[in-house]
Amino acid sequence: NAGVMQNPRHLVRRRGQEARLRCSPMKGHSHVYWYRQLPEEGLKFMVYLQKENIIDESGMPKERFSAEFPKEGPSILRIQQVVRGDSAAYFCASSLSLRDSSYNSPLHFGNGTRLTVT
Amino acid sequence: AQTVTQSQPEMSVQEAETVTLSCTYDTSESDYYLFWYKQPPSRQMILVIRQEAYKQQNATENRFSVNFQKAAKSFSLKISDSQLGDAAMYFCAYKAGYGGATNKLIFGTGTLLAVQP
Repeated sequence: NAGVMQNPRHLVRRRGQEARLRCSPMKGHSHVYWYRQLPEEGLKFMVYLQKENIIDESGMPKERFSAEFPKEGPSILRIQQVVRGDSAAYFCASSLSLRDSSYNSPLHFGNGTRLTVT
Repeated sequence: AQTVTQSQPEMSVQEAETVTLSCTYDTSESDYYLFWYKQPPSRQMILVIRQEAYKQQNATENRFSVNFQKAAKSFSLKISDSQLGDAAMYFCAYKAGYGGATNKLIFGTGTLLAVQP
């Protein structure tokens, strides 16, 4: 059973370009979380999605950032018109259900996408 | 709002020795979960150990154990018989209980552990 798959592993974008980060959750998982890790900091929650729904986007910047988790295909974190401050590692995590994340197994994390904005 | 504080940016331990990493948190809730994650240079986030707040017994996973002091809101990680492979960044994390709105984790800023041969 493959784990959470994120791609690309590294992404370089010039200022003003768009960045698209992909996350395929573990098989059977319908809950996806995106976190951002700035240099020398811990992970910060960005958004929580279930299939086709955004449940909690309290950690998402109001502008330029969007996320989706369509019925078919991976979850996408999209950053428009990137700026240098967007340079970070972006992690995706998945779980079976709200209950599963606490009682039976923790969030399963991917290896992250390191975004560098030049 | 809940916060997690790790006051030790870096720690060092000799191989085979014991080291304790500190973590404190702030919350007004009574039902929550605490975690320690390990992040090696590969960047993968690996769950080391977790503790349910309603359990008084400290969690243990092989060489890893916690000292959970609920009243003091302290959750330290003890690594016994340290091995070279334990060298990594360690993050303490908090999650509201099942009654919370979402499953988001709140992380501390991490402690970088070096293991000396």
